[in-house]
Amino acid sequence: DQQVKQNSPSLSVQEGRISILNCDYTNSMFDYFLWYKKYPAEGPTFLISISSIKDKNEDGRFTVFLNKSAKHLSLHIVPSQPGDSAVYFCAASGRRGSTLGRLYFGRGTQLTVWP
Amino acid sequence: DSGVTQTPKHLITATGQRVTLRCSPRSGDLSVYWYQQSLDQGLQFLIQYYNGEERAKGNILERFSAQQFPDLHSELNLSSLELGDSALYFCASSRQGGGEAFFGQGTRLTVV
Repeated sequence: DQQVKQNSPSLSVQEGRISILNCDYTNSMFDYFLWYKKYPAEGPTFLISISSIKDKNEDGRFTVFLNKSAKHLSLHIVPSQPGDSAVYFCAASGRRGSTLGRLYFGRGTQLTVWP
Repeated sequence: DSGVTQTPKHLITATGQRVTLRCSPRSGDLSVYWYQQSLDQGLQFLIQYYNGEERAKGNILERFSAQQFPDLHSELNLSSLELGDSALYFCASSRQGGGEAFFGQGTRLTVV
């Protein structure tokens, strides 16, 4: 039962343009959302997160948007750079210490940024 | 460097064998998670420990077991190995259960 879904397995974007990666979740008890970036043969690296009390969080070129009513979040990368080419995983977590207090991952989206 | 250390980095073993993967969490982190990533698959959650106790269990096979020791390091034991167990195994840790988790570099297990 996939509670976090990334429906696009791949995305190709030209350098300098915006990359938008999407994620949907089904469990309304999730209250914390994260994006991870993963290069081949390496562990996932934490990128950015957002609490359910916010609808936007920005960190440099990366912005995460959360639409709780739609159970949808997105990661915007502006401008995209070739070094951003990686697999991006969306993750969600419930209240810390609860039975949902671990990360539920989507299947990932392979982002390719071409020159 | 995430601060999470996994050993060994690579492991090649034969079917039917047993192996132990080790994870040292970041200093101060109480929660340890184990994930499996097979070819072209996402991150499959196996099990979570919090301060020495099992907190959550995912799709972990009965042939697999884990534990977290008093010094908070964790071990994942895989037995009666099958070809299909070949995968990357990641350990992650977090301060408490939930929130940001930081991943190790993974152990690549190849069963031949």
